[in-house]
Amino acid sequence: DGGITQSPKYLFRKEGQNVTLSCEQNLNHDAMYWYRQDPGQGLRLIYYSQIVNDFQKGDIAEGYSVSREKKESFPLTVTSAQKNPTAFYLCASSIRGATGNTIYFGEGSWLTVV
Amino acid sequence: QKEVEQNSGPLSVPEGAIASLNCTYSDRVSQSFFWYRQYSGKSPELIMSIYSNGDKEDGRFTAQLNKASQYVSLLIRDSQPSDSATYLCAVNRGGSYIPTFGRGTSLIVHP
Repeated sequence: DGGITQSPKYLFRKEGQNVTLSCEQNLNHDAMYWYRQDPGQGLRLIYYSQIVNDFQKGDIAEGYSVSREKKESFPLTVTSAQKNPTAFYLCASSIRGATGNTIYFGEGSWLTVV
Repeated sequence: QKEVEQNSGPLSVPEGAIASLNCTYSDRVSQSFFWYRQYSGKSPELIMSIYSNGDKEDGRFTAQLNKASQYVSLLIRDSQPSDSATYLCAVNRGGSYIPTFGRGTSLIVHP
């Protein structure tokens, strides 16, 4: 079945550690995104990529890094520079519409700092 | 002014009633509008998209768009307890294809 797969679903990070969240899609979508959601809050865009080997910062990119070496994959690294990383992380992908991108989400990854 | 605004709620309606969820946006050149449903602890799922002024119906859901007044709404007819969730409005940014999300409205449908 086509879809967006995120792993792991739950992840615990120690202070000072870098962790990487995986995102793979087999929908043949060009664009991929990472959002962060804090409890009771909306979605905030971290990074996005419209095409392989290219990506742009979103609204809250500090402390995060990404790569887009393959169309299907868009991993997110949460670095030690991100001081408050505990959140629900959502990967998404989209096809490009005539007037905007329709975004579809993976199941999400919960990151907790211990 | 925030780019996409929604009343956080909760909006409480009885089972079988019509639930009306509203969203306003600030960027006049926005062209694409989306409604997502998010159950607690889960990821958002797309309900509907709308691009033109007027109404768009899909089953029990109707999206309404008024570009002149810069609002988009979602009506849920015959509300069911299973509709209890947070509903996110998303609007594409002017000059960009990337949607901006509102904070969502919590809907509670009580039996």
